[in-house]
Amino acid sequence: EAQVTQNPRYLITVTGKKLTVTCSQNMNHEYMSWYRQDPGLGLRQIYYSMNVEVTDKGDVPEGYKVSRKEKRNFPLILESPSPNQTSLYFCASSFSSVASLGELFFGEGSRLTVL
Amino acid sequence: SQKIEQNSEALNIQEGKTATLTCNYTNYSPAYLQWYRQDPGRGPVFLLLIRENEKEKRKERLKVTFDTTLKQSLFHITASQPADSATYLCAPVGGTYKYIFGTGTRLKVLA
Repeated sequence: EAQVTQNPRYLITVTGKKLTVTCSQNMNHEYMSWYRQDPGLGLRQIYYSMNVEVTDKGDVPEGYKVSRKEKRNFPLILESPSPNQTSLYFCASSFSSVASLGELFFGEGSRLTVL
Repeated sequence: SQKIEQNSEALNIQEGKTATLTCNYTNYSPAYLQWYRQDPGRGPVFLLLIRENEKEKRKERLKVTFDTTLKQSLFHITASQPADSATYLCAPVGGTYKYIFGTGTRLKVLA
């Protein structure tokens, strides 16, 4: 089954404690990205990756890091989480080419609470 | 900066009626526009894509229009059902490798 898998689905942590949210896709997609979703603000892109070893900032990258060492994985790293990073996070992937981006396939989401 | 506007207020309609949702964008020239459905606490699910050279696209009870002059897309659900109740997101795409989403319109279909 084609899917994007995120872990953990739910996490409560404390300020400053480093954490990683993993994301894996089994569709051989080149493009992967991370979003956060907050009430009234919608989905905002944090980082995206066009392919292995190629990453770029989205609209809200501050406080986050990513890496793309393998095509299927795109972890999101919060080096020193703060309460304003409490949010619902989504990973997504799509087929892409120089000419176009395809439909996004989203994971089920990771709800993060930073105390 | 690029801006996408969708009706921020919820849209309530009676079952069987046609729901029409609006997506307006500014400072943007997308090559195509995507529509997604999102249920509470779930990831968005892709519904339809329409390209800039297409005026209209249909899929079952769904219809999307794309007016590049008005910088607007309309999303219609005909013969709406309570199961269509969800939040609908538009995402104009093109020019960059970023997908930028509107805040979504929450649709509630009343039985």
